[in-house]
This record gives sequence, structure tokens and C-alpha cells, in this order.
Amino acid sequence: DAGVIQSPRHEVTEMGQEVTLRCKPISGHNSLFWYRQTMMRGLELLIYFNNNVPIDDSGMPEDRFSAKMPNASFSTLKIQPSEPRDSAVYFCASSPPTLPNTEAFFGQGTRLTVV
Amino acid sequence: AQSVSQHNHHVILSEAASLELGCNYSYGGTVNLFWYVQYPGQHLQLLLKYFSGDPLVKGIKGFEAEFIKSKFSFNLRKPSVQWSDTAEYFCAVNARTGGGADGLTFGKGTHLIIQP
Repeated sequence: DAGVIQSPRHEVTEMGQEVTLRCKPISGHNSLFWYRQTMMRGLELLIYFNNNVPIDDSGMPEDRFSAKMPNASFSTLKIQPSEPRDSAVYFCASSPPTLPNTEAFFGQGTRLTVV
Repeated sequence: AQSVSQHNHHVILSEAASLELGCNYSYGGTVNLFWYVQYPGQHLQLLLKYFSGDPLVKGIKGFEAEFIKSKFSFNLRKPSVQWSDTAEYFCAVNARTGGGADGLTFGKGTHLIIQP
């Protein structure tokens, strides 16, 4: 199993540009999560999906952030327009449908730098 | 909503010392509890987890944790640390729901440095 796959691993962009982060969850997992990690705020849950449906997006910082999961094997997190304060490591994670086992498997992360 | 508090932000120990990292959570319902480790420059990996049953759980690399429900605590322990245990450690919880996995709420993390 390849694990959760995120791309790109690193992204440097200029303020105002659109950024799209991609995630492929582990096959068979039905829950997908997007987290953001910064020095100041630690790890924060941005949004999560169950069976491709967004369940809780209360962690999305503002309207510039949007996430989609068009099918069970792909999700995107988009920031438009990007700002320097969006610089962080963004992690995608997935969980299997075996309640109560809700262990989350994390991807390698995307390190985003907005200059 | 859940919250997680990790008492120590930075811990420095010598090799072979014993380790205990504190974690307390707040939530009125049933939770699942986790400890994750993040080695420098890497992603989060699961150390151990508690869902139900024996409150003393054993994880990988000699780590264990004890769930004390009355104290809302889930402290991580290791009897003898190694230099390779240098990493960031995160306590996390999620609420049990009927509809699938709930998102994790993480503590701020503890940066552990093991001196040779």
C-alpha cells in the first residue's frame, strides 16, 4: 500500500496566486481530512469528508479556502488568492470505515510558502 | 467541542532516562485517544491508540500510555529513551460518532530532545 499521497511536496508561490494541493487517500478508506500545521497554531483540522461528502468545514479559515472530493480517490484543497499568512505545512489524512477504529493515516504533507 | 492540553512544550532528557508526557482532554462524551510522533521533516505516525478495554495500551518502539477516565488524562510513557526518540509528540482525540470517523483535535505538541 502506497499510503496517503500528497502533491506537490513543496510549493512556493507569490501572494495573490491560486494554489491547489492534491491528495490521494488510501484505497478503501472512506474518511479524508485536511490539516494545517504552523508553529503558532500547531495542527488544525480544516475540513473532513465522509464518503466524499464534506461533513465539517468549520476549520476552514476563510472563503479563500475551498476543498473538494469529486470521488473516493482524490481530493483538492484550493487557496485563492493566497496570502503570506497561508504559509504552512498542509497534511492530508484518511481513515478506514471500521468503527470505532478511526486511526488516521497521514500523508507526507505539502510545505506551502507564499511570498 | 473537544480540546487537548499537553503540559510540556519542550522536554530534554538524557539517553536511558524515563519519559512521561502529560495529556489531558476535555469532552463530555466518549472519545478515542491517540499519540502521534513526528520525526524532523516527516509526517505524523501513530504511536498508539485507545478505543476501549484495557486502559493501559502499548504501542510501537516501547511506548505505552494509560487512560485515566476520572482525570481525563492519557499520559505517554517510555521506561528508557533513546537518542532516536528525538521528535515532536502529539496527543489527539476524536469523538465517537455514528456516521464515521470524526476529525482529530490535537494538542500543541511536545518537542522531545534526547541527549546522547
